[in-house]
Amino acid sequence: DQQVKQNSPSLSVQEGRISILNCDYTNSMFDYFLWYKKYPAEGPTFLISISSIKDKNEDGRFTVFLNKSAKHLSLHIVPSQPGDSAVYFCAAYNAGNNRKLIWGLGTSLAVNP
Amino acid sequence: KAGVTQTPRYLIKTRGQQVTLSCSPISGHRSVSWYQQTPGQGLQFLFEYFSETQRNKGNFPGRFSGRQFSNSRSEMNVSTLELGDSALYLCASSPSQGTGYTFGSGTRLTVV
Repeated sequence: DQQVKQNSPSLSVQEGRISILNCDYTNSMFDYFLWYKKYPAEGPTFLISISSIKDKNEDGRFTVFLNKSAKHLSLHIVPSQPGDSAVYFCAAYNAGNNRKLIWGLGTSLAVNP
Repeated sequence: KAGVTQTPRYLIKTRGQQVTLSCSPISGHRSVSWYQQTPGQGLQFLFEYFSETQRNKGNFPGRFSGRQFSNSRSEMNVSTLELGDSALYLCASSPSQGTGYTFGSGTRLTVV
């Protein structure tokens, strides 16, 4: 059972436009959510996170929105740049459950010049 | 400071053999997690070690095992290799459980 779902395996966006990557989860006990970016042949790198007490967290061009009632979060990248082309993973955990990270399958983002 | 170091970067093994992968965490990090990444399955959690104790375990068969040493370095072992074990194996370290994960570049294992 996939507790963290990234339903879009891939996304293609024009440079300068907004990229929106979506993530849904089923476990209402999750209280911390993270986004990681992964380039080929490299390990994932941490991008941005949000705790369940917030509904928005912003860091430069990256903003994560959390809708707890819908069990949905999204990552917005504005403006998108070709260097943003990578696989983006959504992950979540419950701080009271050994903090075991549960990962989505990833969304491959292609930003076209 | 040095990042997470995984060795070797690439490995080719034959079915039935066993393999040991190594991970050196960032200095001061006491938690090490291992993941398997395959194209269709994303990042699958294998296990997490903290202070030499296995704290979490994923849904992998007993052929997959690991350990952590007193210096926080960790090894992962896979016995009786199968073709389906071909994957990128990633190690991540963090100062404590659950947050601040930093990943290594992975070990690409190919089983033939």
